[in-house]
Amino acid sequence: EPEVTQTPSHQVTQMGQEVILRCVPISNHLYFYWYRQILGQKVEFLVSFYNNEISEKSEIFDDQFSVERPDGSNFTLKIRSTKLEDSAMYFCASRQLGLAGVNEQFFGPGTRLTVL
Amino acid sequence: AQSVTQPDIHITVSEGASLELRCNYSYGATPYLFWYVQSPGQGLQLLLKYFSGDTLVQGIKGFEAEFKRSQSSFNLRKPSVHWSDAAEYFCAVGARGGADGLTFGKGTHLIIQP
Repeated sequence: EPEVTQTPSHQVTQMGQEVILRCVPISNHLYFYWYRQILGQKVEFLVSFYNNEISEKSEIFDDQFSVERPDGSNFTLKIRSTKLEDSAMYFCASRQLGLAGVNEQFFGPGTRLTVL
Repeated sequence: AQSVTQPDIHITVSEGASLELRCNYSYGATPYLFWYVQSPGQGLQLLLKYFSGDTLVQGIKGFEAEFKRSQSSFNLRKPSVHWSDAAEYFCAVGARGGADGLTFGKGTHLIIQP
């Protein structure tokens, strides 16, 4: 069964450093998403991406964040200058372009980012 | 804006007993509704979803949920829980059409007593 994969599973970085989180969505999916989950809290939407551009972003997704689909398979989230409060689990998700806007998203296992 | 409320932060159930996890949503039209399960240190697994049609939907692992428009609810049920059901359960709502992200509730932590 096809699945969303994410690397690395755990990333430790120093405050102020840049990090890139990587995701490989399911191959025939066209919408891509990033979410984050701060420890013990709910999952929060960051950004959606379609047709090589951002479709929607939340207020969390400020200028420190960027997304890119550098090739036909990878989808990345970059945090330019990490802050302590960026420590969280980051989930990538993807969905197929379904009929009538059906919105079933498949999630990856997550990358745990720890900012020291 | 849409929102999801899961009023129970923790629920403890004895193994073999029935389970109901509550979820209420706020959305201007008929939403897409989902239940996801998250085991410790794991990602999110889709249990079931409601898009349209029959308001009682069946999912994996013996779970079901019922969409009640009049109550803006989408409660998750299971007739007999197993120890392996211990996990965090998230209800989520999605908008129809477009690329909107899902809005999640805060989750309910399910504890199974032997």
